[in-house]
Amino acid sequence: DMKVTQMPRYLIKRMGENVLLECGQDMSHETMYWYRQDPGLGLQLIYISYDVDSNSEGDIPKGYRVSRKKREHFSLILDSAKTNQTSVYFCASRSGQGAQAPLFGEGTRLSVL
Amino acid sequence: QQKVQQSPESLIVPEGAMTSLNCTFSDSASQYFAWYRQHSGKAPKALMSIFSNGEKEEGRFTIHLNKASLHFSLHIRDSQPSDSALYLCAANMGYKLTFGTGTSLLVDP
Repeated sequence: DMKVTQMPRYLIKRMGENVLLECGQDMSHETMYWYRQDPGLGLQLIYISYDVDSNSEGDIPKGYRVSRKKREHFSLILDSAKTNQTSVYFCASRSGQGAQAPLFGEGTRLSVL
Repeated sequence: QQKVQQSPESLIVPEGAMTSLNCTFSDSASQYFAWYRQHSGKAPKALMSIFSNGEKEEGRFTIHLNKASLHFSLHIRDSQPSDSALYLCAANMGYKLTFGTGTSLLVDP
């Protein structure tokens, strides 16, 4: 079954703490994405990964970094989280540039207090 | 940077009506266009996509694309209460998929 899995689903952190969001996919897709979604702002692209150790900034990369050491796994790291990083974070994957639309995970709801 | 804009922001239609959602994009080199539906608290799920000018129909859903006018749209025939959701359009250039801010649809039974 094609699936993108995000962990954890819910997370509460204090300002200044480090945050690790994990994403896995079982389809061997080359391309993976991290987006954040805020009310009224739609889905904003944070990072794209083309394959292992091949990553590129999206539209709002400031305050975030990523790691992709295995094709099936893509992590989003917030070093010293800020309150304005409270959001819902979605991971997605697709094959190459793809004729298919990216498949999204169920999201991680992050609150930074 | 690609800009994708949706209209209207929100919409209420009676059950059985035709629903029309609009999307404009800024980069004429965009190659791929998609509509997603997102129910509250859930993941966005792809509904339909299109590459070339014209229209494509799948069941009650039709997507239109006019690259010259930088516009694509989604039409839902015989709208159902289960269609109530946030609808997101997206335009793709290369690897980058840019989303609009969404149209919130409520189908009134």
